[in-house]
Amino acid sequence: ETGVTQTPRHLVMGMTNKKSLKCEQHLGHNAMYWYKQSAKKPLELMFVYSLEERVENNSVPSRFSPECPNSSHLFLHLHTLQPEDSALYLCASSQAVAGSNQPQHFGDGTRLSIL
Amino acid sequence: QKEVEQDPGPLSVPEGAIVSLNCTYSNSAFQYFMWYRQYSRKGPELLMYTYSSGNKEDGRFTAQVDKSSKYISLFIRDSQPSDSATYLCAMTYNFNKFYFGSGTKLNVKP
Repeated sequence: ETGVTQTPRHLVMGMTNKKSLKCEQHLGHNAMYWYKQSAKKPLELMFVYSLEERVENNSVPSRFSPECPNSSHLFLHLHTLQPEDSALYLCASSQAVAGSNQPQHFGDGTRLSIL
Repeated sequence: QKEVEQDPGPLSVPEGAIVSLNCTYSNSAFQYFMWYRQYSRKGPELLMYTYSSGNKEDGRFTAQVDKSSKYISLFIRDSQPSDSATYLCAMTYNFNKFYFGSGTKLNVKP
């Protein structure tokens, strides 16, 4: 158990579908992140939420829409995706407090396949 | 130039060997350095976390940071087949954004 739970673990969807990825952290952290992991490439940071406010958005296409309703939950809403969006989507959390910054803890990811 | 460079491998070693995994980086502002281990079909798991230069040891694992050379290493002593995984280095200076290497795949043969 990593303390960060992602659902679903696998998702296959067509390009016209709408779906959502869910992440829940049980570590009491105040920051949450979405990453995209593609084969043989570094993790790509997509979104960062700190204290439920978005603080980083790395030029991600609008077909990806994040939502952070509270410090324990993070969603990634998907619509009209492209085949190149097929990847492993990882959620992470950390405790980001001045003077006590800590590294990230990751969930096991959602393997997304776009048909 | 990439912020963080890491040889993708694969690196194949016999059981019991000492493994050396490395990353180089370009941004001298990085102060915090991490190593993650990622098994197939799992997320990255934090192995080591160090601040600034120096060594840190945890069991069979030693993390080394040389800020003057912008070079970090992870050593694994007495490697085991269960160490077979992809190892990711990561670093940051502000904890809002973490920079990752592309990962090195390690295979420890029994």
